[in-house]
Formats: sequence, structure tokens, C-alpha cells
Amino acid sequence: DQQVKQNSPSLSVQEGRISILNCDYTNSMFDYFLWYKKYPAEGPTFLISISSIKDKNEDGRFTVFLNKSAKHLSLHIVPSQPGDSAVYFCAASAADTGNQFYFGTGTSLTVIP
Amino acid sequence: DAGVIQSPRHEVTEMGQEVTLRCKPISGHNSLFWYRQTMMRGLELLIYFNNNVPIDDSGMPEDRFSAKMPNASFSTLKIQPSEPRDSAVYFCASSLDSASNQPQHFGDGTRLSIL
Repeated sequence: DQQVKQNSPSLSVQEGRISILNCDYTNSMFDYFLWYKKYPAEGPTFLISISSIKDKNEDGRFTVFLNKSAKHLSLHIVPSQPGDSAVYFCAASAADTGNQFYFGTGTSLTVIP
Repeated sequence: DAGVIQSPRHEVTEMGQEVTLRCKPISGHNSLFWYRQTMMRGLELLIYFNNNVPIDDSGMPEDRFSAKMPNASFSTLKIQPSEPRDSAVYFCASSLDSASNQPQHFGDGTRLSIL
């Protein structure tokens, strides 16, 4: 049973525009959320995270928003660049299950030059 | 600094054969994870270790799968006997400790094909 869901398998965006990737979760005990970026033939790399005590975390062009009441988080990339084309995974963990992460199935982002 | 190192990068073998995947975590990291990536289920956690001790192996699909971590710098995932449905990309990851807010760092994976 998927506790973390990414319902959009793919997304295409024009270069310079905003990319918004979405993620939903079902477990209200999750208190730490991350986004990973994955290029073909490479492992996922950590991108940005947010704790449940916050509703926003920003790092350069990347911002993650957390809506706990809706059990929803999103990753905004502004402005989008062709090098951002990759698969993005969201993940979540709960303090009572330690460092076990639950991953979504990923969203493939294509930024069109 | 070296990241997580996995070997081999690719493995093609016939069903029924034993397959061993290897992982060297980042030095100083105390937690190690094995994942399997499939199109349908994304990244599935198979097993993880804290301080070389298996903590949760509930994700291991069958008794054909086993994992060991004999020391802090090496882990193996073994499939015996292998079946075509085991074909997937297997990732190893490590994190600094067992806290829930520590990012995991992934290797580049082993692409396994069972014919």
C-alpha cells in the first residue's frame, strides 16, 4: 500500500517557467519530507527537505511547500532549466519508525528549451 | 569524498543462478539501505541496517532474498535462485545515523536482468 503517492508520472514545462511537482501522503505520523532528483543510470540525489514544523523551505530555485492538513507537499522550481529534466521522487519518514523512508513512484520532468 | 559504491553496475544472468550485489557505504555512515526500483512500485525498501544490524527486513520479497552486513564498510544482497521477475534496478543507500531526518545517499545502482 503506497503511503506516498505521486499521481503525475510526467510533466513538461518550458524553460524559464515554473515547474510544480506534487506529492500526497496518507500517514499522519510522517514528520520529515524530502525530494530526490534522479538522472538516468544514476542513483537518486538528495535535493531538498522539510520538517513538519514548517510549511515552506527554500533553497535557491527550489522551494518545497507542505500542507499538513491536506497531507500534500509540492516542489516548485523557478525558473526551470533544461538541466532540471530528471525524475523527481518525494519521500517521507516518521520519527517513530526511525530512518525508514517511504518513496513515491516518481514524476519525470522534461524542461523544453 | 567517495559516495556509495555499488557493484556490479549491470548483471545479466539466467534464471536459477545465484546473484550477489555489493555495496560500500559512505565512510562514517551507520545506516545502510537496500532498495529495488520498478516501474509499478517505484523505490521499495527491501531491508535496512543500523550499525551493521538488520532492523527491518519486511520488504524482502521472499526467502530467496538475503542480505548481510559483515562490517561497517560492506554489505551484500543475494538472490538465490534468481527468477525473471527479480529483474529491476537495485539501489544501496547510506545515511549518517538512524535519525528520521537524515537524508539517505544513494549509489548508482545495479541493473539486474534475469533471463
